[in-house]
Amino acid sequence: GQQVMQIPQYQHVQEGEDFTTYCNSSTTLSNIQWYKQRPGGHPVFLIQLVKSGEVKKQKRLTFQFGEAKKNSSLHITATQTTDVGTYFCAGFIGGATNKLIFGTGTLLAVQP
Amino acid sequence: NAGVTQTPKFRILKIGQSMTLQCAQDMNHNYMYWYRQDPGMGLKLIYYSVGAGITDKGEVPNGYNVSRSTTEDFPLRLELAAPSQTSVYFCATAQGTYNSPLHFGNGTRLTVT
Repeated sequence: GQQVMQIPQYQHVQEGEDFTTYCNSSTTLSNIQWYKQRPGGHPVFLIQLVKSGEVKKQKRLTFQFGEAKKNSSLHITATQTTDVGTYFCAGFIGGATNKLIFGTGTLLAVQP
Repeated sequence: NAGVTQTPKFRILKIGQSMTLQCAQDMNHNYMYWYRQDPGMGLKLIYYSVGAGITDKGEVPNGYNVSRSTTEDFPLRLELAAPSQTSVYFCATAQGTYNSPLHFGNGTRLTVT
């Protein structure tokens, strides 16, 4: 079954509202990567987290890696229409360093 | 630099036909991956390769074959197309150092009818 789940599956917000997507793995991850896919496009790498409890920021985006390295979150402050797309987390399963498994994704819609 | 190039962009196959999806990269990356993405869904790993001559199965390898005779190319072969293989196929590469991010091609949209 799916090893990396994300919630929610879909979120619709008004421009300016905050948004959070959560990523949960059934097994410990060596690291977590986040990607964004615009409608009709391909996934684009955003960031990588490696350490337990790590927090990284990119402008309005805040990424966290859980203490147990089994979950992660992406928070967007004051969403803009340019944030529209599907956000995927991805992790290396089972200690592997080359087999990257993607989460189920969260589709973000932003209404102007 | 072209990056990761996938051909064709679109293809319609009849059930039972065969085809090869091409993926070429000019970044000298060691790792290459094939993912499929069904409409409104996430990406599922089909096969991956950590270098020329080395391939391994991902999450959903059934119905597909791959080869990696050179660093640059990683073709994906569908032998007997089935409607369940209707999907968008993405090829991706990574440098191969620990934790290196993936670089994706633009995808091939395949419909099997």
